[in-house]
This record gives sequence, structure tokens and C-alpha cells, in this order.
Amino acid sequence: GDSVTQMEGPVTLSEEAFLTINCTYTATGYPSLFWYVQYPGEGLQLLLKATKADDKGSNKGFEATYRKETTSFHLEKGSVQVSDSAVYFCALSDLSGNQFYFGTGTSLTVIP
Amino acid sequence: DADVTQTPRNRITKTGKRIMLECSQTKGHDRMYWYRQDPGLGLRLIYYSFDVKDINKGEISDGYSVSRQAQAKFSLSLESAIPNQTALYFCAIGIPNADTQYFGPGTRLTVL
Repeated sequence: GDSVTQMEGPVTLSEEAFLTINCTYTATGYPSLFWYVQYPGEGLQLLLKATKADDKGSNKGFEATYRKETTSFHLEKGSVQVSDSAVYFCALSDLSGNQFYFGTGTSLTVIP
Repeated sequence: DADVTQTPRNRITKTGKRIMLECSQTKGHDRMYWYRQDPGLGLRLIYYSFDVKDINKGEISDGYSVSRQAQAKFSLSLESAIPNQTALYFCAIGIPNADTQYFGPGTRLTVL
């Protein structure tokens, strides 16, 4: 069945460091791919998405590229800030768009 | 006003008690979902509904039931709560044509 595997955390970085959080997926066909972010005490918020191969999703300085050949959707940011401290979830929607599958989440802490 | 509200936000109960978690939305969307979040396991789908007459089991429906009382309301019930149902529960709505979901703030449930 469809699934998402993402890099385990926690991840701790200094401010202005480069961030990569790895995500790979298993799915039938070409699903839509997402990154969600969960700030402390809040629900999940959509960060970015990509709906087809080679698409790049971007938002708030974060980027991820849909790589069909490696079935990956890695999240990157060139210079993290303390305010980026959160839990990040990779997710996909199945071909029907009816169900979503989430990774286990990666906790990021950015220290000044 | 928030698009998705969940009540209560926190609940502590005892083993064997019946508990209902409620979710309401103001967006008028048909699709609604219930997930639970556990550390290290990410989000797992409990039930989902595409309209008032359509209820579907998710990955982990055992021990739970749902009711779609109206398009705007989707309730999750634990008929006889047990400690391993201690978790953070999220309601979400599916955004049509955007192939994504919008989450409520979550309910933290503790079963003693």
C-alpha cells in the first residue's frame, strides 16, 4: 500500500544553518506530495506541495522537488531561523485524492 | 473564526468511560477526517466521511465510532476508553480542487 518514510529526528541546528529533511514514498502511480508543519500546541498546517514529477513546491523559504526517479520529496531550507522550530511531516494523497498518508514526523529545533 | 474547531481541547478520563470528541467546520466542505497522533508514529487515519451518508473506516478504526450529524459536524466516540487510546486527536477537512487538508487544533485525550 501507499506509505511515506521520512528521516527520524530530532534535528538540532544553529540559526542560519542549511536544513534537509529526507522523505521517500511508496505509491501506485504518481500521487500528490506534501510537507506539513506543526508548531508547538497547534494542528498541522500545509507548508508546500507538488502534484507531478519535477514540480517544485516552495513556501517561506522552504523547497521540495518531486523526484519520480528516486521516489523522493526532500525538504530544504538554506538558512533556518529559530521560528522554524517545529515538527515537519511528509505526506502523500492517493490517486483518488480521498486518503492521505503521513510520515512519522521530524522534530526540528533551531538554536540561536 | 477558526475554520475547524475541536472540543474539548483537553480531556482526562478513566478506563471504561464513553467519550465523544466533536469537530465542526465553517467552510461547508464535504470531506472530513479523524486522525490520531502518537509520538514516533505520525498521524494515522481513524475514520473519514465524504458526506452525511458516507462513512469509511481508516487504518485504525477498532475501538472507535463516528457520527456525521450534519455537513459541518463530525464526532468521534470511544465507547469504552482504554489507556492505549491516550493520544492527540485531530479533525481535518478536505479542500476540494486543492488536493489538501486543513486541520483543527487537536484534542489531547488521556485515559487513566
